[in-house]
Amino acid sequence: KAGVTQTPRYLIKTRGQQVTLSCSPISGHRSVSWYQQTPGQGLQFLFEYFSETQRNKGNFPGRFSGRQFSNSRSEMNVSTLELGDSALYLCASTGQGDTGELFFGEGSRLTVL
Amino acid sequence: GDSVTQMEGPVTLSEEAFLTINCTYTATGYPSLFWYVQYPGEGLQLLLKATKADDKGSNKGFEATYRKETTSFHLEKGSVQVSDSAVYFCALSTHGGATNKLIFGTGTLLAVQP
Repeated sequence: KAGVTQTPRYLIKTRGQQVTLSCSPISGHRSVSWYQQTPGQGLQFLFEYFSETQRNKGNFPGRFSGRQFSNSRSEMNVSTLELGDSALYLCASTGQGDTGELFFGEGSRLTVL
Repeated sequence: GDSVTQMEGPVTLSEEAFLTINCTYTATGYPSLFWYVQYPGEGLQLLLKATKADDKGSNKGFEATYRKETTSFHLEKGSVQVSDSAVYFCALSTHGGATNKLIFGTGTLLAVQP
């Protein structure tokens, strides 16, 4: 079965722009989580969606937002980009009952110039 | 708040050496504990897990035992291979079925030389 797919894999933006990243979970998985990975801060939880509802949110400013569609696909958006937003953004999906067993995509690497 | 502390890397070993990567945690309640591995250029993948005290998780020759008394979940492997070179992350989850949020340690880079 296909894994978690993230698009785009790489992108370059300039400060002040906005970006939208997409994540397609494993078929049948209803929970999608997003993490930011940077060399300085490591892996930090952004938010989690389950059945189109955000059920948990990390400690990030309101510029970071997300949503989930009825087919469980998810998007995250970052507005007014800052240099510090440069990171690898990882999406993970989870099947029901497998709490903590996350299946990660390869990530979207965002560079902000 | 909840947190995970793991040993700083990089850890450099020769092939067939014994590996230990230390991980300790702070959490309210009774967390589930995990080790994830990230190979170069890839996303993370679950290596092993333990959901209650004294459980031992194991996979691909790696093992870790959930020690509640020392709040630890150290990763061990008896004989490492070059293909084990990767970044290893210790993580915990404290919310049971209500969320899949994980709190990760900073990661430990393992480099195995032939």
